[in-house]
Amino acid sequence: DAGITQSPRHKVTETGTPVTLRCHQTENHRYMYWYRQDPGHGLRLIHYSYGVKDTDKGEVSDGYSVSRSKTEDFLLTLESATSSQTSVYFCAISAGGNYGYTFGSGTRLTVV
Amino acid sequence: GDSVTQMEGPVTLSEEAFLTINCTYTATGYPSLFWYVQYPGEGLQLLLKATKADDKGSNKGFEATYRKETTSFHLEKGSVQVSDSAVYFCALSSPNAGNMLTFGGGTRLMVKP
Repeated sequence: DAGITQSPRHKVTETGTPVTLRCHQTENHRYMYWYRQDPGHGLRLIHYSYGVKDTDKGEVSDGYSVSRSKTEDFLLTLESATSSQTSVYFCAISAGGNYGYTFGSGTRLTVV
Repeated sequence: GDSVTQMEGPVTLSEEAFLTINCTYTATGYPSLFWYVQYPGEGLQLLLKATKADDKGSNKGFEATYRKETTSFHLEKGSVQVSDSAVYFCALSSPNAGNMLTFGGGTRLMVKP
């Protein structure tokens, strides 16, 4: 969506390798989120950020870490990728309040 | 805690049929309510929202009314098109939870010509 981009769009990686996904925004929004989407599980929150260097865990944070050194970038790292982390990953941004979220187009990650 | 329950899909309709996707919620305080739509291969897009009781959100022919007495926010459209085929997510944000969104499980809509 306008103002938020995710990279890469697609990635295939091997089990045990580290992987970093990037979310970049141009809206200067305070809040950023990482979700994964899997069939039968809907959207599940991995990590979120409420400001530079301020992050917290979501419901499925094991095996993932995040960093936010600038307002515009929120990185998701799979420290040692496993097949169970094969998924579609979405980043979202929010200005807070009742504005809701704007989502990126997603990254399809396959761990082989 | 807060929760959102949507009717399970898939919902299969013929073109020009009337659509209702049910959504009920549990929340403390006064949440805002949202409908998001996800087309194949894309991210979620905000479809409509309502921020207080009795508000009606509308967009692209879709409507939903915030009903506090029944804790519901059902999505309706009078005449669906094939291009409406997508997954629809109901969500709420509560000031008591830092305005973080809580999503329902999604409902897949399939519209046949």
